[in-house]
Formats: sequence, C-alpha cells, structure tokens
Amino acid sequence: QQQVKQSPQSLIVQKGGISIINCAYENTAFDYFPWYQQFPGKGPALLIAIRPDVSEKKEGRFTISFNKSAKQFSLHIMDSQPGDSATYFCAASNQAGTALIFGKGTTLSVSS
Amino acid sequence: NAGVTQTPKFQVLKTGQSMTLQCAQDMNHNSMYWYRQDPGMGLRLIYYSASEGTTDKGEVPNGYNVSRLNKREFSLRLESAAPSQTSVYFCASSEGRVETQYFGPGTRLLVL
Repeated sequence: QQQVKQSPQSLIVQKGGISIINCAYENTAFDYFPWYQQFPGKGPALLIAIRPDVSEKKEGRFTISFNKSAKQFSLHIMDSQPGDSATYFCAASNQAGTALIFGKGTTLSVSS
Repeated sequence: NAGVTQTPKFQVLKTGQSMTLQCAQDMNHNSMYWYRQDPGMGLRLIYYSASEGTTDKGEVPNGYNVSRLNKREFSLRLESAAPSQTSVYFCASSEGRVETQYFGPGTRLLVL
C-alpha cells in the first residue's frame, strides 16, 4: 500500500510533442502528489505538485491530471523541448506523513 | 544562500571501511532527509529527521546511522561499508513534513 508505480520507464518524444508520464498509488490516505525533475549529475527539484481536491493543475507547459477514483495521476509536458530531457519522478505522501514515497522514475529524451 | 550542500562529492571506499557523509542547509528548515538513488529503483529514504534532536528510520536504514547535529546539519555514517552500498546519496530538507523538499547535489559512493 506504500508503493507508487510509475510508467513508462523511458520515453522518447519529438520536439514540440506531448510527453505523458503516469503514476498510480494504492494508499487512499495519500493527499499530496508532487513531481520532481532531475538533470544528470544534479539533485531532484520540485516541478509541480497537486492535492486531490482539484483534478488538474497547470504551470506553464506542465500539467498534472489527477483521477482520485482511479488512484492515478499523470504529468503532461506540452510542446516538449530538448531542455526538458531529464528524469522525472512522481511521489506521494499524506498529511501525517513524514516523508515522500517516490516512483522509480521516467527518463525523458526530447529529440530535436 | 547555498541551499543544501553535501560533502564529499565523490568517494571510493574499500569493503569494511567507514565514512561519514555530511549535509548542511541554510534555509532554516526543520526536516532533513537522506535518500539513496540506484538505477531503476528511484529514490529510497534511508533516514529522516523531522526536527532537531529527532531521527527516524526510512525504507532502507540497515547499515547506516545518522546524527542531527543541529538544525543545519544532518550526517549519514556507514560503519562498515559493503559493495551493496554503492550508490548516489542525496540529502534533502523541507520546512515542514510534506512541504517542498530541496535536494543537495549528491554524493557518489563506490564501495570496492
């Protein structure tokens, strides 16, 4: 019940295309869902986060879609750019949680 | 404002040797974390400290010890290194328990 399952493991998208990464969770107590972006040789950095009281959150080209009944959430990157090439991690936690549970990561390559 | 700093950046150990990984943050955050990152495994929590003076085990604590020296510093110690501890170690901090986590640049550890 503590797992967060992320797919796909890797993704190749053409410049200007839409990148979609999916995550699923089992613990219904989770109520905070962030996405982290990590460039090679760097630490992860928060990209965008959502709480389950909304179904979608958009920040620039990045959108989180949240489906509470299906216990799934996804990251959409619109107009993908080579600079978006990185590893993306979804994560989850609850209000009483003391740490985040991370998915295994998706390596995104955007070809020019 | 350096954020989260980690030392060393890279270390090679022989099996059985000990070492301490250092982490410091200058954001006055209450919570600090140690993660390890292995290929295909995502980020796994080793230990965390919700506040100064407290530490708790995460998902993979075996073989590690931690010290929350003060509010700024959180160290991770390997008493007797094993090849299975070859990994990239990240320290992170956050203001609250499920707030944005800020990651350091990582320490690459190779145990021969």
